[in-house]
This record gives sequence, C-alpha cells and structure tokens, in this order.
Amino acid sequence: ILNVEQSPQSLHVQEGDSTNFTCSFPSSNFYALHWYRWETAKSPEALFVMTLNGDEKKKGRISATLNTKEGYSYLYIKGSQPEDSATYLCACLSWGAQKLVFGQGTRLTINP
Amino acid sequence: NAGVTQTPKFQVLKTGQSMTLQCAQDMNHNSMYWYRQDPGMGLRLIYYSASEGTTDKGEVPNGYNVSRLNKREFSLRLESAAPSQTSVYFCASSDWGAQETQYFGPGTRLLVL
Repeated sequence: ILNVEQSPQSLHVQEGDSTNFTCSFPSSNFYALHWYRWETAKSPEALFVMTLNGDEKKKGRISATLNTKEGYSYLYIKGSQPEDSATYLCACLSWGAQKLVFGQGTRLTINP
Repeated sequence: NAGVTQTPKFQVLKTGQSMTLQCAQDMNHNSMYWYRQDPGMGLRLIYYSASEGTTDKGEVPNGYNVSRLNKREFSLRLESAAPSQTSVYFCASSDWGAQETQYFGPGTRLLVL
C-alpha cells in the first residue's frame, strides 16, 4: 500500500510569520498529488492538484511545489493569519490506481 | 447548487444494529467515494465508485457495503454495527476519477455503543 507521510504532525506559528510543511510519497509510479485544507467542524476543501515535476501552484498567500523525482511536496503559507488555522492534508495517486491515499495531515495553529 | 450532501449528520447505534448513510451530489460527477476519519489516522477510503454502475473496495471495506443507486447517489451500509466503526464518515465526488479534485460532504458522525 502506498505510504504518504506528512511532517510535522502539528505546528504552532505566530501570526504574520511564514511557514511550510512537507508531504513525502514514493516517487515510483507517481501520477498526481492533491493538497486539501480542513478546518475544524467542516469538510476538506481542495487547494491544489499537481502532476508535473517542478510544478508550482499558488492561491493567495498559499503556494505548493512538487518534486516527483525525490518524492516530496512543500506547502508554504506566507504571512500566516488566524484563519489559516486548519489541518492540511496531502494525498497521492499512483499510475493505474483509482484511489487517493491520504497522509495523516499537518495541524497548523496560528497564534494571534 | 448544494454540492455534496450527506444524511444523517449524527447517529448513535447499538452494536449489531444496521443503518445506511446517504450521499448525493448535484455536480454531475462520475466518481464518488466513502472515507472514514479517525483520530491520528487521516482519511481512509472505504469504497469508491469510479462511474455509475461500478463499485470497488478501498483500504478498509470490511463491515461495509455500498450501492451506487444512480449517478447522483452513493450509499454506505453498515449491516451489523460494531464499536470499531465509530468514526466520522465523509462522502466525496470528483468529475472523473481520482486525479480530479474531490469535493467533500459535511460528514456523518457515527457512534456505536
């Protein structure tokens, strides 16, 4: 079974600071990587879907990069705000598979 | 446009009881999924339906059955609930396959006593 690891598991950041965290996945048979943002008591919402090595995507203050050769993706948040507090999930899809495998998530807390 | 809806939002069952969790989407998506979320475990796929008329097992299918009733609806059935099935259940859909963005419902919180 595909193993997707996220680190750190939790993170506390001061408001205004920038931060980043990692999603690691097996580089062989890679097809796509998803990032989702999951606020407490809500359902996960899509941030990015990435497929190409070297790809970089941006949505406001949040951006992500992808390295399929070494099997990792970084999610960056610039100038953290309290509303950024959430769990950030990544999920990987392999060639020929029809299902995503999710990591355990990074729980981000922004301290005002 | 409601997106993905799930019923019920919360349910308490006794061990051995059965129930069906309902999911519907109004985005004309082809693929639908059922996940469970447990503390420290992330989201784990129970069953999925790549397209209308097909269903397949995910990572943790034991104790569950599914029905893709039509393109809109995908139900999850617990035939004989066990305490280990206490969890939050999320339904999701995507346009065509898991490479596409998945849209999640609000979740069903299930407690099995």
